[in-house]
Amino acid sequence: QKEVEQNSGPLSVPEGAIASLNCTYSDRVSQSFFWYRQYSGKSPELIMSIYSNGDKEDGRFTAQLNKASQYVSLLIRDSQPSDSATYLCAVVPGANNLFFGTGTRLTVIP
Amino acid sequence: GAGVSQTPSNKVTEKGKYVELRCDPISGHTALYWYRQSLGQGPEFLIYFQGTGAADDSGLPNDRFFAVRPEGSVSTLKIQRTERGDSAVYLCASSLFYLGQGSFGELFFGEGSRLTVL
Repeated sequence: QKEVEQNSGPLSVPEGAIASLNCTYSDRVSQSFFWYRQYSGKSPELIMSIYSNGDKEDGRFTAQLNKASQYVSLLIRDSQPSDSATYLCAVVPGANNLFFGTGTRLTVIP
Repeated sequence: GAGVSQTPSNKVTEKGKYVELRCDPISGHTALYWYRQSLGQGPEFLIYFQGTGAADDSGLPNDRFFAVRPEGSVSTLKIQRTERGDSAVYLCASSLFYLGQGSFGELFFGEGSRLTVL
């Protein structure tokens, strides 16, 4: 089983809608969770981090963590065409490194 | 430098050749990571350095792959006897802290080295 699993998409939403991206992880001792955004042909960049159960909001982005269900999600409100990218879920399991999921490709349609 | 610098940006080589990929992290960053990314996939962990030592090299696929960071700054990923399956974008990232020191997970990535093995 992979450490981090994501639906590869593609996910298409109209401009202004809410985009919902989901991720599950396998290691129950994981404590740190991240969402990275990767534009086509570019390298990943961090957009959100979350460490405790519940919601964390930053502008139009909300990360949600449920450790009991081993589930992390990212909501993007008022989606813009510039949000079109691949979103990578990343987890720090018991070891000292960071594992990425395969990413979900999001397209926001103007 | 201002960001993570990787060279070369593109490398085309023939099967069986030796390749070196270089990463110059952000000044002062103690942790350095190597990942590789194939088309349509997420970054695959290869190796992670704390200072000069490899803290975790469990992601290196086989003994053809080796990485060093002799002075705790610049790192070189070395691939011997390249195979077509080694073709990918090799990403280097650095972070200010490593696990146990504080905040962890904010990795700053370079633009990658695209390796093509013919």
